Amino acid sequence: EAGVAQSPRYKIIEKRQSVAFWCNPISGHATLYWYQQILGQGPKLLIQFQNNGVVDDSQLPKDRFSAERLKGVDSTLKIQPAKLEDSAVYLCASSYNRGTRDEQFFGPGTRLTVL
Amino acid sequence: KQEVTQIPAALSVPEGENLVLNCSFTDSAIYNLQWFRQDPGKGLTSLLLIQSSQREQTSGRLNASLDKSSGRSTLYIAASQPGDSATYLCAVCGGSNYKLTFGKGTLLTVNP
Repeated sequence: EAGVAQSPRYKIIEKRQSVAFWCNPISGHATLYWYQQILGQGPKLLIQFQNNGVVDDSQLPKDRFSAERLKGVDSTLKIQPAKLEDSAVYLCASSYNRGTRDEQFFGPGTRLTVL
Repeated sequence: KQEVTQIPAALSVPEGENLVLNCSFTDSAIYNLQWFRQDPGKGLTSLLLIQSSQREQTSGRLNASLDKSSGRSTLYIAASQPGDSATYLCAVCGGSNYKLTFGKGTLLTVNP
């Protein structure tokens, strides 16, 4: 079974530029998550999709971050414009469904550096 | 608001030692608790998931316990090996959206 795929693996941009990350979840997984992990911290949930609908985006900085999940499969996360404090690893995860017994499976992450 | 704390922040042990990592959480209304492993530059690998009704889970040399009422979990690693060196993260699942809240992790180094 293929895991969660993410691209790119690394990205370096200047502040005020825009950037986009892509995620392909495990086949058949209805729930998709984007996390931000700042160095030395645990991952923080940015947005959660159930199929192609948003379930929780309470911690997404909506003035600069946006995300979509078309057709309930792949997802993209965009930052526009980027700030220095956005430097972090962006992790995508998926689970079969939302529920108490469902494990989340994580991709390798995209390491973003904003200069 | 759920808060998860992991102690110690870093741990260095010689190969072969048994060790315990600690995790505490402030809101006991959780559905489950997961322990993850994160290698440098990599994503998270799920190690063990304990349902709120369970007391412990075992996988190979790993044993995780959960005391929901006191808001604590421990991850026990037996006969540690250099390959166990990584950051170990604890996360609790709760709320109407089954949201995971993570601790900051424990950086484990096992010296040959």
